Amino acid sequence: EVQLLESGGGLVQPGGSLRLSCAASGFTFSSYAMSWVRQAPGKGLEWVSVISNSGGSTYYGDSVKGRFTISRDNSKNTLYLQMNSLRAEDTAVYYCARVELTTVIILDAFDIWGQGTMVTVSS
Amino acid sequence: QSALTQPASVSGSPGQSITISCTGTSSDVGGYNYVSWYQQHPGKAPKLMIYDVNNRPSGVSNRFSGSKSGNTASLTISGLQAEDEADYYCSSYTSSSAVVFGGGTKLTVL
Repeated sequence: EVQLLESGGGLVQPGGSLRLSCAASGFTFSSYAMSWVRQAPGKGLEWVSVISNSGGSTYYGDSVKGRFTISRDNSKNTLYLQMNSLRAEDTAVYYCARVELTTVIILDAFDIWGQGTMVTVSS
Repeated sequence: QSALTQPASVSGSPGQSITISCTGTSSDVGGYNYVSWYQQHPGKAPKLMIYDVNNRPSGVSNRFSGSKSGNTASLTISGLQAEDEADYYCSSYTSSSAVVFGGGTKLTVL
């Protein structure tokens, strides 16, 4: 079964750091670009970042650029999101998502999603 | 990266057809055929329903279809069913090498 399982969420103070992980199973992880998407409580979806299958290309949303870093370890089938200088507005459920394989570009559709991990930034 | 514009809510009766619009600019929806649609039930992860304007992933009902005209994309659901009640989000590639989502539309099946 194709599955994505996020972990690492929790409560952190403003200005703090947190690293999220996403363990992939059931597919050839190294063949797929991967992304993070977040959803603040009661709000809509916001794209955060994407990384190519090799890790050689990365892109970020304006609201996290310079503070968040996406990375992956294909030997461990795991995607990461390092979040620094966290703000209250970063409070959200963070979803790990797989980029659909047949797309021409990696900034396109997300066909498999994890269940999400909650990040709360508060003092 | 301004969010794409979707109606806050739409509704329809079982068996009817409804259409949800998603309006952007020539820098996103109008400029590329990289528009996707997602369905999200309360407390659940989003599910991909349409990608690249009008392509359905395997397993998605053919009651769901997508289209685009100018800067506006649309999702049409025909033969509305109770289980279609959910939030729907569009997304698009943007010229600034990013992905932008719409604000979401709550579909109510009457």
